[in-house]
Amino acid sequence: DVKVTQSSRYLVKRTGEKVFLECVQDMDHENMFWYRQDPGLGLRLIYFSYDVKMKEKGDIPEGYSVSREKKERFSLILESASTNQTSMYLCASRGRGGTYEQYFGPGTRLTVT
Amino acid sequence: AQTVTQSQPEMSVQEAETVTLSCTYDTSESDYYLFWYKQPPSRQMILVIRQEAYKQQNATENRFSVNFQKAAKSFSLKISDSQLGDAAMYFCARGGYFGNEKLTFGTGTRLTIIP
Repeated sequence: DVKVTQSSRYLVKRTGEKVFLECVQDMDHENMFWYRQDPGLGLRLIYFSYDVKMKEKGDIPEGYSVSREKKERFSLILESASTNQTSMYLCASRGRGGTYEQYFGPGTRLTVT
Repeated sequence: AQTVTQSQPEMSVQEAETVTLSCTYDTSESDYYLFWYKQPPSRQMILVIRQEAYKQQNATENRFSVNFQKAAKSFSLKISDSQLGDAAMYFCARGGYFGNEKLTFGTGTRLTIIP
């Protein structure tokens, strides 16, 4: 079974802090994604990566950056956390080709105070 | 922007009954994938069912089936014999077929099962 793990389930940070959210997948997937989930807004794509060191902006990249130095790991970085970044963050991965199904991690609920 | 619309923010159904969740989408592509994902409370998002747009036959997975109407751009999920474990947020999503790696999600429907 595909396993996608995220470094924290719950995280509380202060405004202005630099925040790192880590995601690791164990299925050698080329593609990895970071989403933000907010009530009434569904899942919105922040960034995705289709290969090591490659990244593309999603629909809401402002205030975020990403890093993918190894195939299995995809990091989301909040350079200077703000209260409007309080949200649930979901990581997902999928292989190249096939049926385009994405496999999700358990999520990190981030609170910025 | 190509959108996915779930017009029912909340639904409820009696245990053992059948419920249908609605989803419509917008696309200019002729080939694509459609998905229903389930997110139980405080648990991981998992795939319920997928449909390939070029297939006319509606997908079925045990108690879950879809009604795919390509011309109408409609993709509803039917859950038969509802069980308490079906309580969750359900998200409809659309993905491209030829190299488009992104999924576009709807806003979700929260399904409550009434014992």
